[in-house]
Amino acid sequence: EAQVTQNPRYLITVTGKKLTVTCSQNMNHEYMSWYRQDPGLGLRQIYYSMNVEVTDKGDVPEGYKVSRKEKRNFPLILESPSPNQTSLYFCASTKTRSSPLHFGNGTRLTVT
Amino acid sequence: QQQVKQSPQSLIVQKGGISIINCAYENTAFDYFPWYQQFPGKGPALLIAIRPDVSEKKEGRFTISFNKSAKQFSLHIMDSQPGDSATYFCAATTTGNQFYFGTGTSLTVIP
Repeated sequence: EAQVTQNPRYLITVTGKKLTVTCSQNMNHEYMSWYRQDPGLGLRQIYYSMNVEVTDKGDVPEGYKVSRKEKRNFPLILESPSPNQTSLYFCASTKTRSSPLHFGNGTRLTVT
Repeated sequence: QQQVKQSPQSLIVQKGGISIINCAYENTAFDYFPWYQQFPGKGPALLIAIRPDVSEKKEGRFTISFNKSAKQFSLHIMDSQPGDSATYFCAATTTGNQFYFGTGTSLTVIP
């Protein structure tokens, strides 16, 4: 089954404790991206990647890092999480930007 | 600054009625306008999309109307059903590969 898998689904952590949210896709897509979803703000793009070793900042990259060492994986790293990064995070992949974005089921992160 | 402005924030429609969600943009470099549907606990999924060289696109009960001169586009859901109750996001993208989403519309269809 074609899918984007994110882990974990839920994560509660404390300020400053580094964490990684994993994302993997099995569709051989070149384009992958991360979004955060907040009430009243919709979905905002954090980072995106056009291919292995190629990453670019989206609209809200501050406080986040990504890496793309393999085509299928695109982890999101928060090196020093803060409470304002409490949000619902989605990873997505697509073949081209004018093809459907395939989203994972989300990771709900709470930073206390 | 919100690149794509979406309204209304919430919408309640009777079963069988027409649901209309509007979006507006300023960046004339946008060249692809998808709509996504999201159910609780799930990621968004593509519903329908349009390019600016077309003024209307219809897929079943869902229609996108596009007004290039006004820089506005809208989603019309005909014969709305309770199963259409979800959050809808408009979006836009450019050759720069960044995606910009609207703030979302929570649609409730009352039986």
